[in-house]
Amino acid sequence: LAKTTQPISMDSYEGQEVNITCSHNNIATNDYITWYQQFPSQGPRFIIQGYKTKVTNEVASLFIPADRKSSTLSLPRVSLSDTAVYYCLVGDPTLMNTDKLIFGTGTRLQVFP
Amino acid sequence: DSGVTQTPKHLITATGQRVTLRCSPRSGDLSVYWYQQSLDQGLQFLIQYYNGEERAKGNILERFSAQQFPDLHSELNLSSLELGDSALYFCASSVRLAGDNEQFFGPGTRLTVL
Repeated sequence: LAKTTQPISMDSYEGQEVNITCSHNNIATNDYITWYQQFPSQGPRFIIQGYKTKVTNEVASLFIPADRKSSTLSLPRVSLSDTAVYYCLVGDPTLMNTDKLIFGTGTRLQVFP
Repeated sequence: DSGVTQTPKHLITATGQRVTLRCSPRSGDLSVYWYQQSLDQGLQFLIQYYNGEERAKGNILERFSAQQFPDLHSELNLSSLELGDSALYFCASSVRLAGDNEQFFGPGTRLTVL
Protein backbone atom coordinates (compact mmCIF):
# COMPACT_ATOMS: atom_id res chain seq x y z
CA LEU A 1 0.00 0.00 0.00
CA ALA A 2 1.54 3.22 -1.16
CA LYS A 3 1.86 5.89 1.52
CA THR A 4 2.50 9.49 0.63
CA THR A 5 4.58 12.28 2.12
CA GLN A 6 4.02 15.96 1.40
CA PRO A 7 5.30 19.21 2.89
CA ILE A 8 3.05 20.36 5.69
CA SER A 9 2.77 23.91 4.43
CA MET A 10 3.90 26.29 1.71
CA ASP A 11 3.63 30.03 1.22
CA SER A 12 3.43 31.90 -2.05
CA TYR A 13 2.43 35.24 -3.53
CA GLU A 14 -0.21 35.98 -6.09
CA GLY A 15 0.93 35.46 -9.65
CA GLN A 16 3.67 32.98 -8.80
CA GLU A 17 3.89 29.36 -9.86
CA VAL A 18 3.60 26.88 -7.02
CA ASN A 19 5.00 23.37 -7.11
CA ILE A 20 3.95 20.84 -4.47
CA THR A 21 5.79 17.55 -4.39
CA CYS A 22 4.45 14.28 -3.05
CA SER A 23 6.66 11.28 -2.30
CA HIS A 24 5.31 7.79 -2.75
CA ASN A 25 8.31 5.51 -2.69
CA ASN A 26 6.44 2.20 -2.67
CA ILE A 27 3.91 3.02 -5.34
CA ALA A 28 2.59 -0.10 -7.04
CA THR A 29 2.49 -0.78 -10.75
CA ASN A 30 -1.23 -0.26 -11.01
CA ASP A 31 -1.47 2.84 -8.81
CA TYR A 32 -2.61 6.17 -10.18
CA ILE A 33 -1.78 9.51 -8.56
CA THR A 34 -4.57 11.95 -7.84
CA TRP A 35 -4.57 15.41 -6.32
CA TYR A 36 -7.41 17.04 -4.46
CA GLN A 37 -7.98 20.56 -3.16
CA GLN A 38 -9.87 21.28 0.03
CA PHE A 39 -11.16 24.57 1.39
CA PRO A 40 -12.07 24.87 5.08
CA SER A 41 -15.23 23.00 6.03
CA GLN A 42 -15.79 21.80 2.47
CA GLY A 43 -15.29 18.42 0.87
CA PRO A 44 -12.15 17.86 -1.19
CA ARG A 45 -12.36 18.63 -4.89
CA PHE A 46 -10.59 16.70 -7.64
CA ILE A 47 -7.84 18.65 -9.39
CA ILE A 48 -5.89 16.28 -11.59
CA GLN A 49 -4.86 12.66 -12.01
CA GLY A 50 -2.05 10.88 -13.79
CA TYR A 51 -0.10 7.66 -14.18
CA LYS A 52 3.20 8.74 -15.70
CA THR A 53 4.99 11.63 -17.46
CA LYS A 54 2.93 14.81 -17.58
CA VAL A 55 -0.73 15.63 -17.42
CA THR A 56 -2.18 19.11 -17.87
CA ASN A 57 -5.67 20.47 -17.52
CA GLU A 58 -7.19 23.93 -17.24
CA VAL A 59 -6.15 24.42 -13.62
CA ALA A 60 -2.91 22.49 -13.04
CA SER A 61 -0.16 20.28 -14.33
CA LEU A 62 1.05 17.03 -12.85
CA PHE A 63 4.62 15.88 -13.39
CA ILE A 64 5.52 12.26 -12.72
CA PRO A 65 9.11 11.05 -13.24
CA ALA A 66 9.91 7.73 -14.82
CA ASP A 67 10.37 5.90 -11.52
CA ARG A 68 6.99 7.25 -10.29
CA LYS A 69 8.29 7.50 -6.73
CA SER A 70 7.20 11.10 -6.54
CA SER A 71 4.91 13.53 -8.29
CA THR A 72 4.68 17.31 -8.48
CA LEU A 73 1.51 19.34 -8.69
CA SER A 74 2.13 22.62 -10.45
CA LEU A 75 -0.28 25.53 -10.05
CA PRO A 76 0.46 28.36 -12.51
CA ARG A 77 0.00 31.95 -11.40
CA VAL A 78 -1.77 31.31 -8.12
CA SER A 79 -4.36 33.69 -6.72
CA LEU A 80 -5.68 34.26 -3.22
CA SER A 81 -8.48 31.80 -3.94
CA ASP A 82 -5.93 29.01 -4.31
CA THR A 83 -5.29 29.16 -0.57
CA ALA A 84 -6.32 25.67 0.50
CA VAL A 85 -5.05 22.25 1.54
CA TYR A 86 -3.80 20.03 -1.26
CA TYR A 87 -3.85 16.26 -0.91
CA CYS A 88 -1.92 13.68 -2.86
CA LEU A 89 -3.69 10.34 -3.16
CA VAL A 90 -2.31 7.09 -4.56
CA GLY A 91 -4.86 4.47 -5.52
CA ASP A 92 -5.02 1.10 -7.19
CA PRO A 93 -7.40 1.12 -10.15
CA THR A 94 -7.59 -2.59 -10.72
CA LEU A 95 -10.90 -4.21 -10.08
CA MET A 96 -9.10 -7.05 -8.33
CA ASN A 97 -7.75 -4.90 -5.52
CA THR A 98 -9.88 -2.22 -4.01
CA ASP A 99 -7.38 -1.17 -1.42
CA LYS A 100 -7.70 1.35 1.30
CA LEU A 101 -7.70 4.92 0.10
CA ILE A 102 -5.12 6.94 1.92
CA PHE A 103 -4.96 10.67 1.59
CA GLY A 104 -1.61 12.15 2.43
CA THR A 105 -1.10 14.61 5.26
CA GLY A 106 -1.94 17.39 2.90
CA THR A 107 -0.05 20.57 2.12
CA ARG A 108 -1.51 23.79 3.39
CA LEU A 109 -0.87 26.45 0.74
CA GLN A 110 -1.15 30.07 1.81
CA VAL A 111 -1.18 32.65 -0.96
CA PHE A 112 -0.40 36.24 -0.01
CA PRO A 113 -1.29 39.38 -1.96
CA ASP B 1 -22.01 21.68 -6.27
CA SER B 2 -20.64 18.14 -6.59
CA GLY B 3 -24.06 16.49 -6.88
CA VAL B 4 -23.49 14.53 -3.66
CA THR B 5 -25.84 15.40 -0.83
CA GLN B 6 -25.39 14.74 2.85
CA THR B 7 -27.80 15.18 5.72
CA PRO B 8 -27.84 16.58 8.26
CA LYS B 9 -25.30 19.40 7.90
CA HIS B 10 -24.80 19.66 11.61
CA LEU B 11 -25.47 17.21 14.41
CA ILE B 12 -25.00 17.78 18.12
CA THR B 13 -25.44 14.90 20.48
CA ALA B 14 -24.22 13.47 23.76
CA THR B 15 -21.75 10.74 24.60
CA GLY B 16 -23.19 7.26 24.45
CA GLN B 17 -25.77 8.16 21.86
CA ARG B 18 -26.26 6.77 18.37
CA VAL B 19 -26.62 8.80 15.17
CA THR B 20 -27.18 8.11 11.50
CA LEU B 21 -25.61 10.13 8.72
CA ARG B 22 -27.11 9.97 5.27
CA CYS B 23 -25.54 10.33 1.84
CA SER B 24 -27.04 10.43 -1.62
CA PRO B 25 -24.46 9.90 -4.38
CA ARG B 26 -24.40 11.60 -7.74
CA SER B 27 -26.86 10.20 -10.20
CA GLY B 28 -25.31 7.15 -11.84
CA ASP B 29 -22.48 6.70 -9.34
CA LEU B 30 -22.32 3.21 -7.88
CA SER B 31 -19.48 3.66 -5.40
CA VAL B 32 -19.90 5.45 -2.11
CA TYR B 33 -17.05 6.24 0.25
CA TRP B 34 -17.14 7.51 3.81
CA TYR B 35 -14.38 9.60 5.36
CA GLN B 36 -13.80 11.11 8.77
CA GLN B 37 -11.88 14.34 9.18
CA SER B 38 -10.88 15.59 12.58
CA LEU B 39 -8.39 18.29 13.44
CA ASP B 40 -5.67 15.97 14.60
CA GLN B 41 -6.20 13.05 12.22
CA GLY B 42 -6.62 14.56 8.80
CA LEU B 43 -8.82 12.85 6.23
CA GLN B 44 -9.33 9.20 7.14
CA PHE B 45 -10.97 6.68 4.86
CA LEU B 46 -13.60 4.64 6.68
CA ILE B 47 -15.41 2.36 4.26
CA GLN B 48 -16.49 1.92 0.64
CA TYR B 49 -19.61 0.43 -0.87
CA TYR B 50 -20.18 -0.48 -4.47
CA ASN B 51 -23.67 -1.20 -5.76
CA GLY B 52 -24.87 -2.27 -2.34
CA GLU B 53 -21.89 -4.35 -1.30
CA GLU B 54 -19.07 -3.49 1.05
CA ARG B 55 -15.84 -3.42 -0.97
CA ALA B 56 -13.13 -1.85 1.13
CA LYS B 57 -12.58 -1.03 4.77
CA GLY B 58 -10.30 1.53 6.26
CA ASN B 59 -9.86 2.68 9.82
CA ILE B 60 -13.46 2.22 10.77
CA LEU B 61 -14.23 1.52 14.42
CA GLU B 62 -16.40 -1.43 15.41
CA ARG B 63 -18.89 1.05 16.88
CA PHE B 64 -19.42 2.39 13.37
CA SER B 65 -21.29 0.64 10.59
CA ALA B 66 -22.56 1.54 7.17
CA GLN B 67 -24.76 0.25 4.43
CA GLN B 68 -25.75 1.11 0.90
CA PHE B 69 -29.36 0.66 -0.09
CA PRO B 70 -30.86 -0.51 -3.41
CA ASP B 71 -31.44 3.11 -4.45
CA LEU B 72 -27.68 3.60 -3.84
CA HIS B 73 -27.97 6.04 -0.99
CA SER B 74 -25.83 5.20 1.99
CA GLU B 75 -26.02 5.59 5.73
CA LEU B 76 -23.24 5.69 8.28
CA ASN B 77 -24.28 4.65 11.76
CA LEU B 78 -22.21 5.78 14.70
CA SER B 79 -23.02 4.29 18.11
CA SER B 80 -21.79 4.60 21.68
CA LEU B 81 -20.47 7.97 20.71
CA GLU B 82 -17.38 9.36 22.40
CA LEU B 83 -16.01 12.88 22.54
CA GLY B 84 -13.30 11.86 20.11
CA ASP B 85 -15.88 11.05 17.45
CA SER B 86 -16.50 14.75 16.95
CA ALA B 87 -15.43 15.41 13.40
CA LEU B 88 -16.52 16.22 9.87
CA TYR B 89 -17.85 13.18 8.09
CA PHE B 90 -17.67 13.25 4.31
CA CYS B 91 -19.32 11.05 1.81
CA ALA B 92 -17.96 10.75 -1.71
CA SER B 93 -19.16 8.93 -4.78
CA SER B 94 -17.67 7.75 -8.01
CA VAL B 95 -18.77 5.90 -11.08
CA ARG B 96 -16.56 2.86 -10.86
CA LEU B 97 -15.43 0.43 -8.24
CA ALA B 98 -11.77 1.17 -8.09
CA GLY B 99 -9.90 3.87 -6.27
CA ASP B 100 -8.24 5.53 -9.19
CA ASN B 101 -11.16 7.44 -10.46
CA GLU B 102 -12.36 10.85 -9.53
CA GLN B 103 -14.38 11.01 -6.36
CA PHE B 104 -17.02 13.66 -5.81
CA PHE B 105 -17.32 14.76 -2.23
CA GLY B 106 -20.41 15.99 -0.46
CA PRO B 107 -20.49 19.04 1.80
CA GLY B 108 -20.04 16.93 4.92
CA THR B 109 -21.84 16.45 8.22
CA ARG B 110 -20.30 18.14 11.22
CA LEU B 111 -20.80 15.95 14.27
CA THR B 112 -20.29 17.39 17.72
CA VAL B 113 -20.37 15.03 20.68
CA LEU B 114 -20.79 16.76 24.04
